Amino acid sequence: DIQMTQSPSSLSASVGDRVTITCRASQSISNSLNWYQQKPGKAPNLLIFSSSSLQSGVPSRFSGSGSGTDFTLTISYLQPEDFATYYCQQSYNTPRTFGQGTKVEIK
Amino acid sequence: QVQLQESGPGLVKPSETLSLTCTVSGDSVSSGNYYWSWIRQPAGKGLEWIGRVYTTGFTNFSPSLKSRVTISIDTSKNQFSLKLTSVTAADTAVYYCARVSAAVGWSDPWGQGTLVTVSS
Repeated sequence: DIQMTQSPSSLSASVGDRVTITCRASQSISNSLNWYQQKPGKAPNLLIFSSSSLQSGVPSRFSGSGSGTDFTLTISYLQPEDFATYYCQQSYNTPRTFGQGTKVEIK
Repeated sequence: QVQLQESGPGLVKPSETLSLTCTVSGDSVSSGNYYWSWIRQPAGKGLEWIGRVYTTGFTNFSPSLKSRVTISIDTSKNQFSLKLTSVTAADTAVYYCARVSAAVGWSDPWGQGTLVTVSS
């Protein structure tokens, strides 16, 4: 199985901050990396697919980058509705695996 | 607008079989463009991929669950289903179904999730 490791596990930030979350794969996954946002009591919501493609309807302050084993999710200007938990997932092979999540909290 | 809805018992006894169904609206499970997947999340923990099914009935499963999992598809009802046998308290979780791009692998949309508790 491909192991996905996110860092940090949690972070505190203020509205307007630039936030960066990293995800590392245990082997190369090309650009087969997706990012999801999950709010408490809700299902995950797709933000970014194929490392850097923005899902329709997702605000442009979200961006993704990376290939191979190292990936980044950036929120350029944190908004109140962005406080949530973020997960990366590899779609390179099965079993699909998720990172452990990064909780973005209000400072 | 594509929507997925999980249904099934919220309480299952230890050693019994967990059975859930995902009903799809706004798309067809017969579409060759997608897989249909199950994911679960224990309270306060991360997401665990369970497996997926294609319109042909082809399946893939998580190795850790493979011996206990069946995922099937019913194109006549536009549904797909999950069965997990010999459950224990460790199988207590919110279970989600999701549509998965066959070409790229993203999951969207997801169902709202259903909590299944394993307890006597």
